[in-house]
Amino acid sequence: QQPVQSPQAVILREGEDAVINCSSSKALYSVHWYRQKHGEAPVFLMILLKGGEQKGHDKISASFNEKKQQSSLYLTASQLSYSGTYFCGGNTGNQFYFGTGTSLTVIP
Amino acid sequence: EPEVTQTPSHQVTQMGQEVILRCVPISNHLYFYWYRQILGQKVEFLVSFYNNEISEKSEIFDDQFSVERPDGSNFTLKIRSTKLEDSAMYFCASSLYSGEHSYEQYFGPGTRLTVT
Repeated sequence: QQPVQSPQAVILREGEDAVINCSSSKALYSVHWYRQKHGEAPVFLMILLKGGEQKGHDKISASFNEKKQQSSLYLTASQLSYSGTYFCGGNTGNQFYFGTGTSLTVIP
Repeated sequence: EPEVTQTPSHQVTQMGQEVILRCVPISNHLYFYWYRQILGQKVEFLVSFYNNEISEKSEIFDDQFSVERPDGSNFTLKIRSTKLEDSAMYFCASSLYSGEHSYEQYFGPGTRLTVT
């Protein structure tokens, strides 16, 4: 059962913030976040390993609530380059589950 | 910077034919994966490979599929008797560790398979 993401799609104006949520029914060892641009491979953004862990990279950060098996990705002051489809994912054992995906479009 | 490479970038084949998709993972990585992405849909896990054997596989990875590490560098996905619905982008990925010591996966650029 793959993780479920919300929203499915979001359109932002440059400079606005967004939150993408990810919820798993299976207990995951960790949560990964990837961004995929059209026609390209997914690119790793960050991994959260421990319950309650938060991480940040530039204006993109994330949190992972291990008890609830929920993770959120926070994009602040969005840039045009943030456009793409965002996938959360995680593994139980050696099988990796990608989330349902969130399409993010940043417009000028 | 080390990267995962895949060949060919695009493969066109006729229904019923066999195809082999090739990948060269990052050299010091231990875990290798194949994923499939049908156009406009989510990325789907096919199989993971560790220590020269399949570690886990999904329901999609049936007898039509097989993987091999024929030498120290290549990692291949063979699809026998291709069907129209096998048309998709196939991504190879590798990571240093997996499981509880999960590490990020590095993806190759993908092979677009078109079955006609």
